[in-house]
Amino acid sequence: DTGVSQDPRHKITKRGQNVTFRCDPISEHNRLYWYRQTLGQGPEFLTYFQNEAQLEKSRLLSDRFSAERPKGSFSTLEIQRTEQGDSAMYLCASSGSLNYGYTFGSGTRLTVV
Amino acid sequence: KQEVTQIPAALSVPEGENLVLNCSFTDSAIYNLQWFRQDPGKGLTSLLLIQSSQREQTSGRLNASLDKSSGRSTLYIAASQPGDSATYLCAVSTGNEKLTFGTGTRLTIIP
Repeated sequence: DTGVSQDPRHKITKRGQNVTFRCDPISEHNRLYWYRQTLGQGPEFLTYFQNEAQLEKSRLLSDRFSAERPKGSFSTLEIQRTEQGDSAMYLCASSGSLNYGYTFGSGTRLTVV
Repeated sequence: KQEVTQIPAALSVPEGENLVLNCSFTDSAIYNLQWFRQDPGKGLTSLLLIQSSQREQTSGRLNASLDKSSGRSTLYIAASQPGDSATYLCAVSTGNEKLTFGTGTRLTIIP
C-alpha cells in the first residue's frame, strides 16, 4: 500500500469551468476526509465520509462543491463553475481509527485563472 | 470553538542546533494531537501522534510533548539538519472527526 493517492497533482482551469479531483485512500481505512488549504494557512475541514456515507459537511462547502465516495472506496470532489477564490490546495486524508491519526495525500493544487 | 496557534510563524536556526516549536490550543478537551511536516507545494507528512492520555512521543530526533491542562504542545528537534527545513503544522482532534490546524511554523535550517 502506497498511502493516500490524489490525482491530478496540479490543475489549471478557467473561471467558470468544472473540475473534478480524485482521492484513493489507504485500502483498509473506512474514514475519508477532504481539506482545503490556502497559501500561508493551515488546512480547513471540508467534508468527511465513513465508508460510502457522507456524514459531515463544512459550511465552507458551498452548493458548487460536491463530494462522493461510491462503494466506500475512492472519493471524488467536484467544483462547478469555478471561481478565483477556489484556488487552493485540496488535501485528502484517510484514517482507520481516530486512535491512529490521519494519513494525508500529496494534494491537488488548483489554480483558477 | 477550538483554536490552534503556532508561534513563531517563522524560525531560522544554524545547522546542528536543537530547537523547539510551540503549539497552543484553546479547548483542553482534546482526543489527540498530531504534528505534521509540509514541504513547499506538497502534502502533509505525519511526524508524531500524541493521545490525550500521553505526555510525550519520540521518533528519532523528534520529541513531542503534550500538556493538556495548559493547552500546549511542543515539538523538539535535536541536532537540526538542512533537510529539516519545512513548515511544521500541529493539528488537534476533539474526537468529532475534524482536525483543527494551526497556521504552521516555517523552519529554515542554515547550513
